[in-house]
Amino acid sequence: KQEVTQIPAALSVPEGENLVLNCSFTDSAIYNLQWFRQDPGKGLTSLLLIQSSQREQTSGRLNASLDKSSGRSTLYIAASQPGDSATYLCAVRGSNYKLTFGKGTLLTVNP
Amino acid sequence: DTAVSQTPKYLVTQMGNDKSIKCEQNLGHDTMYWYKQDSKKFLKIMFSYNNKELIINETVPNRFSPKSPDKAHLNLHINSLELGDSAVYFCASSQATSGGAQYFGAGTRLSVL
Repeated sequence: KQEVTQIPAALSVPEGENLVLNCSFTDSAIYNLQWFRQDPGKGLTSLLLIQSSQREQTSGRLNASLDKSSGRSTLYIAASQPGDSATYLCAVRGSNYKLTFGKGTLLTVNP
Repeated sequence: DTAVSQTPKYLVTQMGNDKSIKCEQNLGHDTMYWYKQDSKKFLKIMFSYNNKELIINETVPNRFSPKSPDKAHLNLHINSLELGDSAVYFCASSQATSGGAQYFGAGTRLSVL
C-alpha cells in the first residue's frame, strides 16, 4: 500500500527566502508525481507534474525533482512571496492508477 | 470557462437525507474522479471512471453511488446521509488513467446536521 509523507507539516519563512518542501513515498512503482497547492477553502491547483522517467520539472520560481529509486521528491520555491502562502500537497500515481496524497505542508510567507 | 465544475459549492442537510453532487469537465478528458477531504484535510480517492466505466472503487459505504452519464460528467449520489459524511468532496479529471495531470474542481463542502 502506497504511503506518502510530507515534511515539514508546517513552515514559516520571511519573504524572499528560498525554501524546500519534501515528499517521500514507500512504493517506487509510480507513473508520475504531482505537486498541488491548496488555498484555504479552495480547490487544488496543479503546480508541476513529473513523469516517472523524468528527474525534474520547472515552472517559474518552482522546481520539482524526483528520485524514484529512493522514493523522494522535493519542491523548491525561489524568492518566496506572501502570495505563496498555502498548503502544498504531493501526490503519487501508482500502478493501480490511484493518486495517493500526502497530508501537505502548510507554508506561511511573512512580509 | 471553468475546466472542472462542481455543484453545489455548499450543501447543508439533515441526517438521513439523500443528496447528489454534480461534476462536469470541459477538458475533453477520459477519466474522472471523486475524492473526499476530511476534517484533518487528508485527501483520499473514492471512485474513478474512465469513459463511463468504473475503474477504481475504494472501500466506500455503498450509500455512495457514482453515476457517469457520459465521459464529461460524473455525479455522486449519497443515500441516508450520516454525520461522518461531512467533508469536502472534490471532483477531478485527467486525460487518461495512467498519465497526465489531474485537474480539480473547487470542491463541495457537505455538512450533515
